[in-house]
Amino acid sequence: GAVVSQHPSRVICKSGTSVKIECRSLDFQATTMFWYRQFPKQSLMLMATSNEGSKATYEQGVEKDKFLINHASLTLSTLTVTSAHPEDSSFYICSASRSTSGSHYTQYFGPGTRLTVL
Amino acid sequence: EDQVTQSPEALRLQEGESSSLNCSYTVSGLRGLFWYRQDPGKGPEFLFTLYSAGEEKEKERLKATLTKKESFLHITAPKPEDSATYLCAVQARWNNDMRFGAGTRLTVKP
Repeated sequence: GAVVSQHPSRVICKSGTSVKIECRSLDFQATTMFWYRQFPKQSLMLMATSNEGSKATYEQGVEKDKFLINHASLTLSTLTVTSAHPEDSSFYICSASRSTSGSHYTQYFGPGTRLTVL
Repeated sequence: EDQVTQSPEALRLQEGESSSLNCSYTVSGLRGLFWYRQDPGKGPEFLFTLYSAGEEKEKERLKATLTKKESFLHITAPKPEDSATYLCAVQARWNNDMRFGAGTRLTVKP
């Protein structure tokens, strides 16, 4: 159990276009999902926390108008990179939070999406 | 502010050579400490959660332990397929998000 999928796995786009990435929890419901960004040989950087039915909470320095997050259902969150530029090229990873016992939650990660902006 | 420091940054072992990875943390009220394994170009794979000092968990050649200040991931008789980056993360009592360390890149040579 606790499978999270991401689509697409790789995307190449032209500068100025928008790209949407989907994150789905396949076998559990997730009221909270997270979006991370990872540069080569670096750790995960939390971009935003996505709560079902409410606005996402963005980390300091992350532009909310550039990285649009929608969490319309308990199994789906989307990240849209608007007007993408080469500096947005990165590995984007989502996770879904699942309750393990009582107040304990574990994040399960998707396989990631490699975005390349030309 | 919550902080997670992992050491060493990189570790090269011979197959069968046991060792330990360290994760030092400061957090205002620990809800849980997590270990993940990440292979290149993939998302992190969940390994363990530890909730309180003194707790230990094992999975195959891996054993995670926790004190009030740090966690160790012990690798016994590693194999080349254990090569990966191992990430440690802490979760505070007040929220659901996690803070990750920079990771330890483990290479096991045959």
